[in-house]
Amino acid sequence: DIQMTQSPSTLSASVGDRVTITCRASQSISSWLAWYQQKPGKAPKLLIYKASTLQSGVPSRFSGSGSGTEFTLTVSSLQPDDFATYYCQQYNSYWTFGQGTKVEIK
Amino acid sequence: QLHLQESGPGLVKPSETLSLTCTVSGGSISSTNHYWGWIRQPPGKGLEWIGSIYYGGNTYYNPSLESRVTMSVDTSKNQFSLRLSSVTAADTAVYYCGRQFLLRGKIDAFDIWGQGTMVTVSS
Repeated sequence: DIQMTQSPSTLSASVGDRVTITCRASQSISSWLAWYQQKPGKAPKLLIYKASTLQSGVPSRFSGSGSGTEFTLTVSSLQPDDFATYYCQQYNSYWTFGQGTKVEIK
Repeated sequence: QLHLQESGPGLVKPSETLSLTCTVSGGSISSTNHYWGWIRQPPGKGLEWIGSIYYGGNTYYNPSLESRVTMSVDTSKNQFSLRLSSVTAADTAVYYCGRQFLLRGKIDAFDIWGQGTMVTVSS
């Protein structure tokens, strides 16, 4: 089965910062990768699918890139609403999530 | 606006079967463009995909749970269900149902989620 590893596990940042989260797959998954945002007590929200396609309604400050085994989620200018936990998910073979990256206030 | 709502017991005894239902409103579960799935999240931990089902009954299960999982669809009620047998404390989690879209034949990400329901396994 395909393992997904995110880094860092926790990220401290300030409003306005550019933030990048990395997700690595244990084998090539082409571009079959999604990113989700989850806030405490809430269901995850889809941000990006197929590695770089922005889900409808998601602010353009979110972007995704990568293919194969290495992927990144970038927030160009962090907003107060963006402090949350982010998960990557591969769907090349079944569906597997990364362990999550918590973005906290610096 | 499509809405998903999980329902079922919040407490299940060890060795028994966990049963949950997801009711779809604002749209049809018989959509040819979507799959429907279950995901869980133990307290303070990450997300785990459990399984996915098409309205016609085709299923995919997480290999690590496959021996204990059964999913079904009831198109007349616009619902799909999860049964997880022989539960232990490790199955304690928030259980989410979600919708997956089909993109050029590929079962894609979960674009709509239910609010989640907490299930505790305890005697």
